[in-house]
Amino acid sequence: GESVGLHLPTLSVQEGDNSIINCAYSNSASDYFIWYKQESGKGPQFIIDIRSNMDKRQGQRVTVLLNKTVKHLSLQIAATQPGDSAVYFCAPERAGTALIFGKGTTLSVSS
Amino acid sequence: GAGVSQSPSNKVTEKGKDVELRCDPISGHTALYWYRQSLGQGLEFLIYFQGNSAPDKSGLPSDRFSAERTGGSVSTLTIQRTQQEDSAVYLCASSTLTGVQETQYFGPGTRLLVL
Repeated sequence: GESVGLHLPTLSVQEGDNSIINCAYSNSASDYFIWYKQESGKGPQFIIDIRSNMDKRQGQRVTVLLNKTVKHLSLQIAATQPGDSAVYFCAPERAGTALIFGKGTTLSVSS
Repeated sequence: GAGVSQSPSNKVTEKGKDVELRCDPISGHTALYWYRQSLGQGLEFLIYFQGNSAPDKSGLPSDRFSAERTGGSVSTLTIQRTQQEDSAVYLCASSTLTGVQETQYFGPGTRLLVL
């Protein structure tokens, strides 16, 4: 079956540092890969996605890298801020199918 | 509304009682998903609606769980004879399918506690 795993359950960084959150997936038959952020007491919030035929996509302060050869995805957050503290999930996405999240990586940003 | 809304935000019930959870998707979104999230865990898929029909009910944990969607909009998830293991956050997400691109937008969830 399909599985998604993140490499580190927790990541602690100082404000202003860059953060890198990693994710491995098993199913290659995905059209997109999506990153979500979930703050305490809230639902997951869409951050950025990347199409399966791309290897890099940049957003505002975030960059997602996709390596299909090793089935690895990463989310880079530049100049991490306290408001970035949350649990981050990656998910392979195919239209009309449910998302599969692992347990996520908890990012803690200290001032 | 601008986003997915869910009600109630919190629900405390006694074991054996029935509960009904509501989801209002983003206007115009044809697809609607229900998920369950236990503390510190990822998402557990429950059911998927496309319009009013549910092509995938494979995630419903037992026959105590049911869901419906009317008018292609609001959906309700009903849990009958609740058990303590039903305690979790129930999340609803909606999306609009445009070819292969689909982004699911989540509501804030309903936190269910079964005593």
